[in-house]
Amino acid sequence: QVHLVQSGAEVKKPGSSVKVSCEVSGATFGSYSLSWVRQAPGQGLEWMGRLIPIFETPNYAQKFQGRLTISADTGTKTAYMELSGLTSEDTAIYYCARDRPWLDPWGQGTLVTVSS
Amino acid sequence: EIVVTQSPLSLPVTPGEPASISCRSNQSLLHSHGFHYLDWYVQKPGQSPKLLISLASNRASGVPDRFSGSGSGTDFTLKITRVEAEDVGVYFCMQALETPYSFGQGTKLEIK
Repeated sequence: QVHLVQSGAEVKKPGSSVKVSCEVSGATFGSYSLSWVRQAPGQGLEWMGRLIPIFETPNYAQKFQGRLTISADTGTKTAYMELSGLTSEDTAIYYCARDRPWLDPWGQGTLVTVSS
Repeated sequence: EIVVTQSPLSLPVTPGEPASISCRSNQSLLHSHGFHYLDWYVQKPGQSPKLLISLASNRASGVPDRFSGSGSGTDFTLKITRVEAEDVGVYFCMQALETPYSFGQGTKLEIK
C-alpha cells in the first residue's frame, strides 16, 4: 500500500523560503507524478504543480511560476516542494499526493505559517 | 484554464436520505482516451482529502457503494443514496484533464 509521509510544521518569516518533503513508501518511486496542493485556513484546495520523478521535469501553475520549485530524490524516494518569497497569503496546509492523474493517496499535510 | 463550479456549497441532509452534488466545468473534460478526467474527493474534519471517485464514475477502493459518480462533457454529479452520519465533510470535485488542475469550491455536507 502506498503511503506518503510529509515533514513537520514550519513557521517562516515574510520573504523567506520553505522546503517541505514528502517521502513515498510502498510504490515504485518515479513511476507516477507527484502533485502538490495547498489549502489556506478555512479555504478550498489549490493545485500548485507536479513532477514525474524519473523525468525530473516539473509542471507549475502559472500563479507560482518563479517562486516554486518541485524536485525529487529517487534514491530516498522523497519529493520536495520549495516556495520562496513567502507572504502571509502563503500560510496554508501543503499536501503532496500521488498523481495518476487522480490524486491518491495524499500525505498528511504540512502546516506552513508565515508570520513576522 | 478550466474553471470548475460546484453546487450547492452547503448541503444539510437527514440521515437515510439521498444527497446530490453537481460539478460543472467551462469546457469538456473528455480526454482523447475516452474517459472524463473528473474526480471527487471528501475531506473530513482535521483530515487530508481522500479520493472517492476517479474518471467521473470509478469508485475508489474501500468507498461504500452508496457513493456513485456520473456525468459527461461538462456536467457531473456525485450521489449518495442514503447519507450516514460518517459522511459529514467537505466534498470537492477536481478536473485533471489539463494543468493547472482545478477544484470546485467544495460542498459542506452536514447532518440535520
